Amino acid sequence: GQNIDQPTEMTATEGAIVQINCTYQTSGFNGLFWYQQHAGEAPTFLSYNVLDGLEEKGRFSSFLSRSKGYSYLLLKELQMKDSASYLCAVRRSGNTPLVFGKGTRLSVIA
Amino acid sequence: EAQVTQNPRYLITVTGKKLTVTCSQNMNHEYMSWYRQDPGLGLRQIYYSMNVEVTDKGDVPEGYKVSRKEKRNFPLILESPSPNQTSLYFCASSLYKGSTDEQFFGPGTRLTVL
Repeated sequence: GQNIDQPTEMTATEGAIVQINCTYQTSGFNGLFWYQQHAGEAPTFLSYNVLDGLEEKGRFSSFLSRSKGYSYLLLKELQMKDSASYLCAVRRSGNTPLVFGKGTRLSVIA
Repeated sequence: EAQVTQNPRYLITVTGKKLTVTCSQNMNHEYMSWYRQDPGLGLRQIYYSMNVEVTDKGDVPEGYKVSRKEKRNFPLILESPSPNQTSLYFCASSLYKGSTDEQFFGPGTRLTVL
């Protein structure tokens, strides 16, 4: 079967750095996505990794290790507006739909 | 403005009364899909479509139908809604050029079936 695991909830302080982990076990792998979703709103795309290593985009970075079935999303200089759910999603092969994890709800506190 | 639109945004209905949730995108995307999102279960795919007249079941297709007669539209049909279909529904589309395509999500439809 397909299995994507992320922590359910995390709390971090404004201005700090937080790392949200995602482990996956899927039949095939052709890319990993991170999405941000504010409460009651649609998910929005954050990052995409298909090769091992770190992809940096402003305050957000995403890392992938295919051999370990592991990714993380790193958020730096946390702001209150970063309070949201972060969804990890895997594409198993070129044509197949994404499989989403259940999401990690991040609360940023002052 | 490039976007995915869904209608209605909110709907309260009763068991057995057929309903359709519309989805439209103006980005000429080939790939469209429907998800439902439930607390503790995350986003689960209902149906997807790779192009006009091509649709396929996702992970939770029971109780739903879709059609793709035009590239821009991908309606979700509940022939006989039941209370377990109470959920938040999202339509999404992507260009589908290789695997790097990000999905653009509509604003969501909150459905309550009494």
